[in-house]
Amino acid sequence: AQTVTQSQPEMSVQEAETVTLSCTYDTSESDYYLFWYKQPPSRQMILVIRQEAYKQQNATENRFSVNFQKAAKSFSLKISDSQLGDAAMYFCAYNGNDYKLSFGAGTTVTVRA
Amino acid sequence: DSGVTQTPKHLITATGQRVTLRCSPRSGDLSVYWYQQSLDQGLQFLIQYYNGEERAKGNILERFSAQQFPDLHSELNLSSLELGDSALYFCASSEGDVSTNEKLFFGSGTQLSVL
Repeated sequence: AQTVTQSQPEMSVQEAETVTLSCTYDTSESDYYLFWYKQPPSRQMILVIRQEAYKQQNATENRFSVNFQKAAKSFSLKISDSQLGDAAMYFCAYNGNDYKLSFGAGTTVTVRA
Repeated sequence: DSGVTQTPKHLITATGQRVTLRCSPRSGDLSVYWYQQSLDQGLQFLIQYYNGEERAKGNILERFSAQQFPDLHSELNLSSLELGDSALYFCASSEGDVSTNEKLFFGSGTQLSVL
């Protein structure tokens, strides 16, 4: 299985500010998808954003955007204009040819009012 | 609400016992996935079913088994439970078969506590 690494256990951001979460992965595959999932205190896993490895353009969903660097195997998530409801644990995930979505350890985001 | 229903939400049992976790996928979704989330192991893929057939298998213990029924709901059976099996068990569903781009919709999970 591929390894997904999230090196930041916790991040704190002021409301309305921007925070960037890091994710790196290890793979020898060329075709794969990358995902960011959000897990709020309700425990529900919610898909935030998805990126196809073949697409050079970075995915964007409202205030959430990614910086996908394929050569560097890096997939960071930027949350702009942070809101209190963004407080959650965020998981980076990789889905490759074994179709077994592999998750990183997660980053807990705290939003300060 | 993701549309994926998991029951029960909480389960407390003793070591050596057997439990069954149930999952109803979103309407129209043919694939069901089971994941285990624990503090030490993180989120681990267990198994996937598509339209009643097993499609992919992860680090699922032999004490664990799953199946998907004709109405597409799925059950995860955990037997000879150990303290280390305490975890949050997620079910997820998706529309299609194995694919790299499948969007998974997760249920709220079943919190299993083995005492």
